[in-house]
Amino acid sequence: DTGVSQNPRHKITKRGQNVTFRCDPISEHNRLYWYRQTLGQGPEFLTYFQNEAQLEKSRLLSDRFSAERPKGSFSTLEIQRTEQGDSAMYLCASSLRSTRGEETQYFGPGTRLLVL
Amino acid sequence: AQSVAQPEDQVNVAEGNPLTVKCTYSVSGNPYLFWYVQYPNRGLQFLLKYITGDNLVKGSYGFEAEFNKSQTSFHLKKPSALVSDSALYFCAVRDVNTGTASKLTFGTGTRLQVTL
Repeated sequence: DTGVSQNPRHKITKRGQNVTFRCDPISEHNRLYWYRQTLGQGPEFLTYFQNEAQLEKSRLLSDRFSAERPKGSFSTLEIQRTEQGDSAMYLCASSLRSTRGEETQYFGPGTRLLVL
Repeated sequence: AQSVAQPEDQVNVAEGNPLTVKCTYSVSGNPYLFWYVQYPNRGLQFLLKYITGDNLVKGSYGFEAEFNKSQTSFHLKKPSALVSDSALYFCAVRDVNTGTASKLTFGTGTRLQVTL
């Protein structure tokens, strides 16, 4: 399967703990995105990378959140000192940058986080 | 700022009947428009997109969508619904002229229920 993969698929943690999620994009894709989806809502943009550079971060991304893409391949999203409000589905997507910007983002299966 | 409205939380249709899932958008420039489908506990699956050209776009699984610039709409359609089409459908937009991120802005989703 050459689609976007995410690990773990599910994570249950206690409030105050740190968690880290991993995303492996489609191999030739140079852009990688993180979104958050809460129940009854559409995905909301968090941040994106072009190769290893983090080019934009949403105001949703508090200083407890950090994302990396060290070699321009896989990416990690870490949440420090988790809060119950962080409970959500975290979606990763990747795309191949196009000159006109019309590229399609392909999504992974998501990591569902539950903070107790 | 860009935004998407999906006015119907749920659409019910009998198998074999045509279906329409509505979407309207707001951007300052020209839009790129996308439809995705989400099955339970899964990520988003790309259906189709409008970039430019013909207003009627054909996509996966027999779905199509019609871009209407004057009404700022991009409704999803299928001539004959299947029970297996039952899922959550998301419309998304990106402003061509943002000049920054290629992030997508999603609507809140419409649940499609197809019954026998």
